[in-house]
Amino acid sequence: DQQVKQNSPSLSVQEGRISILNCDYTNSMFDYFLWYKKYPAEGPTFLISISSIKDKNEDGRFTVFLNKSAKHLSLHIVPSQPGDSAVYFCAARVNTDKLIFGTGTRLQVFP
Amino acid sequence: EPEVTQTPSHQVTQMGQEVILRCVPISNHLYFYWYRQILGQKVEFLVSFYNNEISEKSEIFDDQFSVERPDGSNFTLKIRSTKLEDSAMYFCASRVAGGSTDTQYFGPGTRLTVL
Repeated sequence: DQQVKQNSPSLSVQEGRISILNCDYTNSMFDYFLWYKKYPAEGPTFLISISSIKDKNEDGRFTVFLNKSAKHLSLHIVPSQPGDSAVYFCAARVNTDKLIFGTGTRLQVFP
Repeated sequence: EPEVTQTPSHQVTQMGQEVILRCVPISNHLYFYWYRQILGQKVEFLVSFYNNEISEKSEIFDDQFSVERPDGSNFTLKIRSTKLEDSAMYFCASRVAGGSTDTQYFGPGTRLTVL
């Protein structure tokens, strides 16, 4: 089941710069997308979401962009901070309640 | 800030034994979920639960699995006869209700190790 893909397993960014995490999906019926952040031995923590009827949603340092024609979304973190170092999961929902997760991207922000 | 809690944080069991994983969802939430993550793999949906019944379940959620809301606060996942491949992190999640944009909030997880 590869409906949600995060093709970059890891990303390393300098503190203060922009982090861009990408996610591709195949199911055009997805109506809602979410980004979660996860630290080791903890549960996923909700970061930001976007409805399929929008193309951008912003919350502080976090912005999610949705390109429906390309079936692509991205999470921008500006400026990146060392505390942002974690695994980031993209998730999508189709009509029902269940979330379908990507494989995650490990972000490391170094000083 | 209210949060989803799960107990125990780590459960070790012998193959064939029954385990019960417990969750306390956020108090005003009405939709409840279980997900799992096998080491190195994706977070996978297991089951959703609303109004005291299962609303959706995945192929993974076979007859060995069951869920229950025994009282007004707890939500449990039972695995009747554990297999080695059930070893994973199990996450409980909950959300408020109704709104199409309601977010699922996750607990910290229970690490299940089947020997």
